[in-house]
Amino acid sequence: DAGVTQSPTHLIKTRGQQVTLRCSPISGHKSVSWYQQVLGQGPQFIFQYYEKEERGRGNFPDRFSARQFPNYSSELNVNALLLGDSALYLCASSLGVGGADTQYFGPGTRLTVL
Amino acid sequence: AQSVTQLDSQVPVFEEAPVELRCNYSSSVSVYLFWYVQYPNQGLQLLLKYLSGSTLVKGINGFEAEFNKSQTSFHLRKPSVHISDTAEYFCAALTSGTYKYIFGTGTRLKVLA
Repeated sequence: DAGVTQSPTHLIKTRGQQVTLRCSPISGHKSVSWYQQVLGQGPQFIFQYYEKEERGRGNFPDRFSARQFPNYSSELNVNALLLGDSALYLCASSLGVGGADTQYFGPGTRLTVL
Repeated sequence: AQSVTQLDSQVPVFEEAPVELRCNYSSSVSVYLFWYVQYPNQGLQLLLKYLSGSTLVKGINGFEAEFNKSQTSFHLRKPSVHISDTAEYFCAALTSGTYKYIFGTGTRLKVLA
């Protein structure tokens, strides 16, 4: 079975641009979460979606937005990019949103903002 | 506020030696606790998780962790490490009834030949 897939794998943007990252969950998983991992740090929670509805949001500015589609795939959008947005963006999928539902992570998209 | 502290940023250890990676959490309510491993240029892989019940949790690749409520700790152990265990290890907590995972800053385990 395919795991969580993310695209693109790498991305280079300049300050002020906008970027869209994509995530396809494991088949049958209805929840997708997004995390930002800055070099040398642990992942920071950005969003969680379940059944196409936002279930949670971390402490990120409104420049960050996301959505989940009927097939449960998801997009993370970041507007007006800043140098500090350079990071590895991880997507994780799970069956549901409970603590007993293991989150499975994708390989990530590495975003570099110049 | 909930937080996760990994006390060691780097842990060097010789091959076949035992290792313990330390993790402490702060929460006034019930939490679920997790250990993830991240190999270079890859996503995170779940090693083990504590939800309830037995405080000793066994995971994949020979790892185990013990939940200690009085010390608010969830240390990860392996009796004999291999070169292939070299990676970054993250402890994470999820407060019961919430959706937000809190990760520690990670511990880089380097296994030496």
